[in-house]
Amino acid sequence: GAGVSQTPSNKVTEKGKYVELRCDPISGHTALYWYRQSLGQGPEFLIYFQGTGAADDSGLPNDRFFAVRPEGSVSTLKIQRTERGDSAVYLCASSPAAGFNEQFFGPGTRLTVL
Amino acid sequence: AQSVSQHNHHVILSEAASLELGCNYSYGGTVNLFWYVQYPGQHLQLLLKYFSGDPLVKGIKGFEAEFIKSKFSFNLRKPSVQWSDTAEYFCAPPGKLIFGQGTTLQVKP
Repeated sequence: GAGVSQTPSNKVTEKGKYVELRCDPISGHTALYWYRQSLGQGPEFLIYFQGTGAADDSGLPNDRFFAVRPEGSVSTLKIQRTERGDSAVYLCASSPAAGFNEQFFGPGTRLTVL
Repeated sequence: AQSVSQHNHHVILSEAASLELGCNYSYGGTVNLFWYVQYPGQHLQLLLKYFSGDPLVKGIKGFEAEFIKSKFSFNLRKPSVQWSDTAEYFCAPPGKLIFGQGTTLQVKP
């Protein structure tokens, strides 16, 4: 079956602009996670959803970052007033439920802020 | 908070050499751990996982890991590496995965 997909695969934007990154999880997976990976580093947790609600958003770096999952499936990560330091690969993962299950990762969106 | 550490950040081996990548955890209670791998240009994927039971866990592609409670360790091993094992390896507890810096493994042909 289809895995986790993310769009766009690459996004180049200018400092100060608004961007949206989309994640389509595996069908039926109730848990969805967002991570950010900078060069040479491991993925850094941002937020996770159980169903439609954000169960843990403790990893969001500041209030410029926001994520939604209105119907419990597709999720959008939104970044306002982008800064050069936001440049990274944004990864999405889903799992059948939160907790101890394996997470299935998407290919990521490479965001470059000029 | 659950956290893990990986000591080796960059490992270079020749093909057929044996591999052991260290992972130590620093939390109590029930310990569950994953090893994930990220091959060049590919998605992160699960190598193996430990939840309970047999402390020696077998994963994909000939990898295994041993959970040693007395050493707070969950080291990843492979008896004979191949060039195709060149990748980034991450140890992490489940839930909101808290990855460390990971280990870059480079296998020379």
